[in-house]
Amino acid sequence: DAKTTQPNSMESNEEEPVHLPCNHSTISGTDYIHWYRQLPSQGPEYVIHGLTSNVNNRMASLAIAEDRKSSTLILHRATLRDAAVYYCILRDNTGTASKLTFGTGTRLQVTL
Amino acid sequence: NAGVMQNPRHLVRRRGQEARLRCSPMKGHSHVYWYRQLPEEGLKFMVYLQKENIIDESGMPKERFSAEFPKEGPSILRIQQVVRGDSAAYFCASSPRTVSSTDTQYFGPGTRLTVL
Repeated sequence: DAKTTQPNSMESNEEEPVHLPCNHSTISGTDYIHWYRQLPSQGPEYVIHGLTSNVNNRMASLAIAEDRKSSTLILHRATLRDAAVYYCILRDNTGTASKLTFGTGTRLQVTL
Repeated sequence: NAGVMQNPRHLVRRRGQEARLRCSPMKGHSHVYWYRQLPEEGLKFMVYLQKENIIDESGMPKERFSAEFPKEGPSILRIQQVVRGDSAAYFCASSPRTVSSTDTQYFGPGTRLTVL
């Protein structure tokens, strides 16, 4: 799986939008972009994924750059419960997908 | 639909003992993954299993670690002769039968192993 680069940490005020960036300059045409998050003392949970087009779901939005070398996870209104480590992961679509390769992620702090 | 279940949630072992970690995937899921998270580090893939088969064990240490996913019952991650460096959180994830790069892995709450 191709490598991703994320800031180590970010801070946000509650009820403000949060934009979490991810760089993946070596992404291949068949790689999907996945985001997972890990709340304190819990297992990771799926957030969203996309290939080329921007994606929205009840948790977040994913904005993918036109050249696909970067993407941004958008939390529209951060709450204290969104404080977690957010992982941007690339998954190859050419073979049997299996393992998730986690980087160091971005630790999001949300304050009142 | 119950989520991925792991037990025990906390496990304490003395050096040299054996640790058995259990994972029951979500109903209808036949693919199981084990990950390890050392203190203050990210998650590292260990092994990927389907029913009765090990598909990818590229992340498993060569010695003392083994995993199985029998036809009936939970998946088991077994660590023999534990050492202090095995202290970590071990997470299990499962996914549905159709595996692709768009599938979602559903994680359990983890087992926190402490080796004294």
